[in-house]
Amino acid sequence: NAGVTQTPKFQVLKTGQSMTLQCAQDMNHNSMYWYRQDPGMGLRLIYYSASEGTTDKGEVPNGYNVSRLNKREFSLRLESAAPSQTSVYFCASSDGTGEDYGYTFGSGTRLTVV
Amino acid sequence: AQSVTQLDSHVSVSEGTPVLLRCNYSSSYSPSLFWYVQHPNKGLQLLLKYTSAATLVKGINGFEAEFKKSETSFHLTKPSAHMSDAAEYFCVVSDGYGGATNKLIFGTGTLLAVQP
Repeated sequence: NAGVTQTPKFQVLKTGQSMTLQCAQDMNHNSMYWYRQDPGMGLRLIYYSASEGTTDKGEVPNGYNVSRLNKREFSLRLESAAPSQTSVYFCASSDGTGEDYGYTFGSGTRLTVV
Repeated sequence: AQSVTQLDSHVSVSEGTPVLLRCNYSSSYSPSLFWYVQHPNKGLQLLLKYTSAATLVKGINGFEAEFKKSETSFHLTKPSAHMSDAAEYFCVVSDGYGGATNKLIFGTGTLLAVQP
């Protein structure tokens, strides 16, 4: 099925370790996003990419880096994981305007930093 | 700046009774508004969206929402709750009709419980 695929689905890291969350979409969307979800706070935007080759900070970018590898793939890297980065991470993509405007979300990566 | 406020963090209804989840928004521009649902340990699913067409928007699974500019509200309703409706619901605003710079701003969520 077409959509947004995130890997891994679950991950446990020790404080200070690094890892990369992968995201790929097969809908030929121009824009891609990384959000984190924490209890009682909804989803907050970490970084986004309007098009291949561009990235911009969102609301909570500290401690993260991103790479828009090509039109399909947008990865999120934690260089030195901290317990505060324990969260569920969602990747999304979007395209279209007006009535066609919408986002598609991946199924999430549940990250625990101990 | 855009924002949304979901007025209830938890709502509990009995199966077969109406559902009302309340959302107020703030936007300097004509907003796009969405409702997403998240079932336990699942991703987000779009229920419905408003993008300046009809003010009464019908979505999936019998849900609908009405855009009221005078009240800056976009409440979600369903005439008769089903057990499968138990989930967390997010009201979301965007300040335009497309493009990556029209980022989604999420409310803090309303957890809907449906009692048998």
